[in-house]
Amino acid sequence: DQQVKQNSPSLSVQEGRISILNCDYTNSMFDYFLWYKKYPAEGPTFLISISSIKDKNEDGRFTVFLNKSAKHLSLHIVPSQPGDSAVYFCAATALDRGSTLGRLYFGRGTQLTVWP
Amino acid sequence: DVKVTQSSRYLVKRTGEKVFLECVQDMDHENMFWYRQDPGLGLRLIYFSYDVKMKEKGDIPEGYSVSREKKERFSLILESASTNQTSMYLCASSPPGTFLETQYFGPGTRLLVL
Repeated sequence: DQQVKQNSPSLSVQEGRISILNCDYTNSMFDYFLWYKKYPAEGPTFLISISSIKDKNEDGRFTVFLNKSAKHLSLHIVPSQPGDSAVYFCAATALDRGSTLGRLYFGRGTQLTVWP
Repeated sequence: DVKVTQSSRYLVKRTGEKVFLECVQDMDHENMFWYRQDPGLGLRLIYFSYDVKMKEKGDIPEGYSVSREKKERFSLILESASTNQTSMYLCASSPPGTFLETQYFGPGTRLLVL
């Protein structure tokens, strides 16, 4: 059963506008969330993360918002650029205080296309 | 600079063949992971390892096995390749006891099983 869901397989946005990518999760134990970006023929690269003790984290043009009560997070990209065109994966984990291994649960990804 | 390398970028194999996918990391990471990526299904965890000679099943281990004889190397083995194992395979590594933004991915191996 998919514990992390990205219900929009694709999103198309004009350059300069805001891109909003959404992610929902079902496991209430998840307390750390990440976004990865993937270009074709490359491995995913880490983009931004947020801990459940926060509701917002910002890094340049990228902001992640977390709504714990709704089990929902979103990634905002402002302004969007053509180079942002990629697949974006949402991921979540439950930080086990006694464990040295972190296992990520990924969503299915959203293909973002930013057109000029 | 962080480096995770995978032995092949593209691989074509026949049904029934035994296939080895190799992954090497140069960061002295304890944790290593194998995923496959399929359109519409995202990244699915096959196996992971948190130490030499240790392995744990992920979500879709059937038809696969792994080997971790050395810390830097994590191999994925398809015992008898089948067409439904045609996919992009991604290896990742991370150090222990840290947050997961440090999970580094290799470039991937695109495997075609005929």
